[in-house]
Amino acid sequence: KNEVEQSPQNLTAQEGEFITINCSYSVGISALHWLQQHPGGGIVSLFMLSSGKKKHGRLIATINIQEKHSSLHITASHPRDSAVYICAVRSRETSGSRLTFGEGTQLTVNP
Amino acid sequence: EPEVTQTPSHQVTQMGQEVILRCVPISNHLYFYWYRQILGQKVEFLVSFYNNEISEKSEIFDDQFSVERPDGSNFTLKIRSTKLEDSAMYFCASSSGTAAAGELFFGEGSRLTVL
Repeated sequence: KNEVEQSPQNLTAQEGEFITINCSYSVGISALHWLQQHPGGGIVSLFMLSSGKKKHGRLIATINIQEKHSSLHITASHPRDSAVYICAVRSRETSGSRLTFGEGTQLTVNP
Repeated sequence: EPEVTQTPSHQVTQMGQEVILRCVPISNHLYFYWYRQILGQKVEFLVSFYNNEISEKSEIFDDQFSVERPDGSNFTLKIRSTKLEDSAMYFCASSSGTAAAGELFFGEGSRLTVL
């Protein structure tokens, strides 16, 4: 079983739709990251969370430590949001400097 | 905005050759990382580096791999004798803080193709 599971694997939406991507993990963590990977391969950090909720523009990330679950929401989605969204965790059970990544969610937003 | 830069963006090499991938982390960052992503697979941790030494490495980071910070700005990953299975995108990242405190900044990646 993967330490980090994301759902869905693929998501297609129409422009303007509200999008939710989910991440579940099985280990105790010190932080959870949401990352965006562009079609060219580059990775951008969107959020780092250890509790609660963060918002940046149209993006919202939440985490529930007790349930070992996090969600990434995109409001008013746009074709430029099309990318792979990756959840990654820093485990408390290792020395803590490594990230363990999920498989990613491929998001396609159609105009 | 400060960024992590990586060179080369793409390198093609013959099996058995040595490869050096270079990274310039953000200037005031103290923690440096290499990750790799084999085509179609998830990103995997290779190594973290702090205070001029490896702080953690994964099972992938065997004796054929080494990292170095030869001067105050560069951070390199050397693969001594490349194998076909080393073909991947290699990402450098840096952060100012430790595990839970430091947001990670990634470079654009170096694509390595081993023939």
